[in-house]
Amino acid sequence: DARVTQTPRHKVTEMGQEVTMRCQPILGHNTVFWYRQTMMQGLELLAYFRNRAPLDDSGMPKDRFSAEMPDATLATLKIQPSEPRDSAVYFCASSRDNQPQHFGDGTRLSIL
Amino acid sequence: QQQVKQSPQSLIVQKGGISIINCAYENTAFDYFPWYQQFPGKGPALLIAIRPDVSEKKEGRFTISFNKSAKQFSLHIMDSQPGDSATYFCAARILGNQFYFGTGTSLTVIP
Repeated sequence: DARVTQTPRHKVTEMGQEVTMRCQPILGHNTVFWYRQTMMQGLELLAYFRNRAPLDDSGMPKDRFSAEMPDATLATLKIQPSEPRDSAVYFCASSRDNQPQHFGDGTRLSIL
Repeated sequence: QQQVKQSPQSLIVQKGGISIINCAYENTAFDYFPWYQQFPGKGPALLIAIRPDVSEKKEGRFTISFNKSAKQFSLHIMDSQPGDSATYFCAARILGNQFYFGTGTSLTVIP
């Protein structure tokens, strides 16, 4: 059963540190999404890529967040410097074009 | 601006009862409406979906009702079970574009 794989599953770090989250999309999927989930805001779309090109990153704080797809099997989301308000669960999802998304199990990030 | 409005925020139902979650939208460009189910510590998983040319879709105990004129759609869970306790998200897609998610409904089914 194909799955989206996210690493790490949990990350605790101090504010000011760089955080890198990784995502391996399902093989054959050409669209990758990054979401942030909090109790207050629910699921927020941060950015998404199609065929490795960024299509929309308007939901992402540009001064500290960056998202890339170095190749078709890896997507990364970086936060530098991290702040306590970045604490959330970050989900990666992938799809084939506009088909329904398949989500990973998330990275639970805590910034102290 | 929330593109898809979901209610209620939380729902408690007795085992065997019917759970109903509602969503509303404004953008008539939406062409596909999925529901996702999320268990604690897991990512959302596609549960059932409907297109606007259909008024109802049923899969097992799960049914989507779609009212195009009212721009509303709802998820009905028949014979609700404790194992259905999860957070449910509705979503809507604009073809060629992204999905927009509702804010989620936390469902608790008590034995």
